[in-house]
Amino acid sequence: GNSVTQMEGPVTLSEEAFLTINCTYTATGYPSLFWYVQYPGEGLQLLLKATKADDKGSNKGFEATYRKETTSFHLEKGSVQVSDSAVYFCALTTKGSGSRLTFGEGTQLTVNP
Amino acid sequence: DADVTQTPRNRITKTGKRIMLECSQTKGHDRMYWYRQDPGLGLRLIYYSFDVKDINKGEISDGYSVSRQAQAKFSLSLESAIPNQTALYFCATSEGQSRPQHFGDGTRLSIL
Repeated sequence: GNSVTQMEGPVTLSEEAFLTINCTYTATGYPSLFWYVQYPGEGLQLLLKATKADDKGSNKGFEATYRKETTSFHLEKGSVQVSDSAVYFCALTTKGSGSRLTFGEGTQLTVNP
Repeated sequence: DADVTQTPRNRITKTGKRIMLECSQTKGHDRMYWYRQDPGLGLRLIYYSFDVKDINKGEISDGYSVSRQAQAKFSLSLESAIPNQTALYFCATSEGQSRPQHFGDGTRLSIL
């Protein structure tokens, strides 16, 4: 079956620090990969996505590259802001799964001024 | 107005009660989903529907049922609530395969 593993949280950083949140996956078939973000009291929002190997998804200064050889999709940002404080979820879907998403556990990020 | 609307936003109820959570969408998507979120477990799929006549169980469907009343409406029911169903519940919609899902703001359900 499909599974997603994220680095354990919570993660606490100072403003302007570099962020990496690790995500690795196992999948039956060829997955599409996503990062979602959940701000306090809100639902999940799509942050970025990649649908094939070596694709780089990017949005709001965040980036993640689809690495088939290491089955990874790590999230990075060069300089975090206080407003980036949220929970981040890595997720995947595979063909034939009915576009069902399999989520990682989520990583809580807190950015201090 | 939100594209995916969940009601109620918060609910506290007692063990054994029947509860219905409602979801409506204005995105025109055929596919709709119900998830529950528990701390440290991410989101887990309860039920999903490809259209009004196509409803499927997810990974944790026991104790839940759903109804797809129209393309835009998908309700989740707990026939006899139990405390371990206390969680945050999300509805989501999607256009199709490999397309992103769009989430509502969630229903926080507490069962005493």
